[in-house]
Amino acid sequence: GESVGLHLPTLSVQEGDNSIINCAYSNSASDYFIWYKQESGKGPQFIIDIRSNMDKRQGQRVTVLLNKTVKHLSLQIAATQPGDSAVYFCAEKKGAGNMLTFGGGTRLMVKP
Amino acid sequence: DSGVTQTPKHLITATGQRVTLRCSPRSGDLSVYWYQQSLDQGLQFLIQYYNGEERAKGNILERFSAQQFPDLHSELNLSSLELGDSALYFCASSVASVQGNEQFFGPGTRLTVL
Repeated sequence: GESVGLHLPTLSVQEGDNSIINCAYSNSASDYFIWYKQESGKGPQFIIDIRSNMDKRQGQRVTVLLNKTVKHLSLQIAATQPGDSAVYFCAEKKGAGNMLTFGGGTRLMVKP
Repeated sequence: DSGVTQTPKHLITATGQRVTLRCSPRSGDLSVYWYQQSLDQGLQFLIQYYNGEERAKGNILERFSAQQFPDLHSELNLSSLELGDSALYFCASSVASVQGNEQFFGPGTRLTVL
C-alpha cells in the first residue's frame, strides 16, 4: 500500500546501526514538535514529541533533538531494526487547536 | 491497531460524484481530525471536531464538509469530486482538544476518482 510520495528522501542503514532523520521547520512559534512513523499501508503512528522550550528528549531507543537557532529537528534511532523501516514525518503543533502541520517525510530502509 | 476505525477502506468513484467517509474514534476520545495524504501535497490537515463542534479548520475545500455526531463518530463528505481529490484520507482521534500531542490515526480510506 503506497501511502506517500514517490520522491521522498531515503535513508538506508544497516541493521544495528544508529539512524538520524532530519527535519527543517519554518514556524518559530510552534509549541511542540512531534515525530510520526508511517508503515506501508497504515496510518501515521506517534513516536515522540518535544516541547519548544526543550533541546532534547529521550524515549525508548529514540531521541529527539531540537535546535531552534537553525530551526532543525532530528530523530535518532538507536540500534535500528528491520521493523523501523517506514516513512518518518516531523510535525509542528501551534495554537489553540490541536492541528498538526506535517513535513514532507523521510523513508528509512533498514538492511539486514 | 490504533483503535480508530475508518470505512470504507477503498472507494472508487467518478468525477462529479459525492462520497461519505466514516470514522469512529477510539473509545473515550472526544476530538476527531481529518487529514488528506496525496502524492504531491503530503499529509495535510483538513478539519478538527471536538465533542460535536468544529474546532479548527485547515486546507479544506468548500466542496468538502464534515460533522461529528453525538456518539462521536465523524463523517467527511466530499462532493463534486475531481481527479485531484484522489488521495488517502485519514481520520485521527485524541482525548482532548488542546492537551497532549498524541493523535491516533486510523488505517485510512483510499479514494480513487476516475
